[in-house]
Formats: sequence, structure tokens, C-alpha cells
Amino acid sequence: RKEVEQDPGPFNVPEGATVAFNCTYSNSASQSFFWYRQDCRKEPKLLMSVYSSGNEDGRFTAQLNRASQYISLLIRDSKLSDSATYLCVVNRGSTLGRLYFGRGTQLTVWP
Amino acid sequence: EPEVTQTPSHQVTQMGQEVILRCVPISNHLYFYWYRQILGQKVEFLVSFYNNEISEKSEIFDDQFSVERPDGSNFTLKIRSTKLEDSAMYFCASSEIGTVSGANVLTFGAGSRLTVL
Repeated sequence: RKEVEQDPGPFNVPEGATVAFNCTYSNSASQSFFWYRQDCRKEPKLLMSVYSSGNEDGRFTAQLNRASQYISLLIRDSKLSDSATYLCVVNRGSTLGRLYFGRGTQLTVWP
Repeated sequence: EPEVTQTPSHQVTQMGQEVILRCVPISNHLYFYWYRQILGQKVEFLVSFYNNEISEKSEIFDDQFSVERPDGSNFTLKIRSTKLEDSAMYFCASSEIGTVSGANVLTFGAGSRLTVL
């Protein structure tokens, strides 16, 4: 079973739409969770960390369900600039800086 | 904003040749990493490095790979004898402390694209 699994998409949505991405992780010992975004042929950039109680950063909301080993990202009021690949990323906590990446979910926002 | 810089941005090499990829981590960071991403695939961990030694390495990081911090600023990844399957984007990253958490995250460089012919 893969460490981190994501629906690859692609998701094609109009500007202003709300879109949600899901992710599951296999290792119950995982301790830290993140969403990164990656533009085509660029480096991953941290979008937000995901906390147990759920957290929001502007139009972005992340949720974590440890019991189900499930992470989600909700994007409200999509902008053209949100077009990117969204990477679900997990760290087990005991290993220094070793992140496990999902393959990513591709989002295209059209005008 | 401080950044991780990598050189070269793109390198083309012949199979069997040695390649050195260079990285300058953020100056106050103490932990350094190499990741790679084969085209169309996920980002994969290669190695972490702290206090002038490898902290952890993945199954990918075999004897053909080595890392070094030759001076106070550079962090290098060497591939001794490149294979076709080494073609990928190689990302260097650094972090202030070793424990990844919501407060301490990895900052990635823009990557070095390696093409092995």
C-alpha cells in the first residue's frame, strides 16, 4: 500500500468555484501533515500545515481525521492562480525531515 | 525571503558519467536534504544530512550516490556513474531544526534537472 494516496484528478473548475481534495495515508504513526503546491516543473512550496483541530488560511481549509487517516483540503472562491498540483505530504515524526509525498492532484481553474 | 539555491538548473550527461549537483541552503539552517522527482511521478526522499554526516537515507540512495558539505555554505549530491533512470529533477531542501512540524518546515530549492542520455 502506498504511503500517501491522492486522487490525481485532474479537477477543472471555473473561477469562483469551491473544490475539495482528499488524501489518505497508510502509516498510523504519522505525526505531521502538510499540503504543498507545485507549479509545473517547479519546486514544491508549502501551502499550509494541517493541524488536528483543522485550520484555515484565507480561502484554504485543511482537515485531518487521524482515526480514518484522512486529510482534506478545501479551496473556496477559486482563482486562476490556484491552478497547480496539490501535494499531500506526511511526516512520521521520528525521522528527520523525511517527508512522504502523494503524487498530487492537478487543479485547473478556468475563467 | 531567504531561499535555497541550486546549480546547475539543468544538466545533460552521458550514461556512466559522474555528476555533481550543488546547493546552498539557507544560512541559519542546520539540516539538509535531497529529494528527487522523476517526470510525472511523486517527490521522493533521498537523504538527510546533519552535523556533517548522513542522518537517514532511502532505498534509492545506493552506493552510486554520495553527499558532502565541502565548506560552510555548499551541500552537494554526487552521482558516481549515472544511469538512464537517474534522469529526474533533484531538489535540495533545508530546515532550521530536524523535527518537522507545523512550525518547522522544509524549504526547497528550485531544483536541478538531470537528463542522462
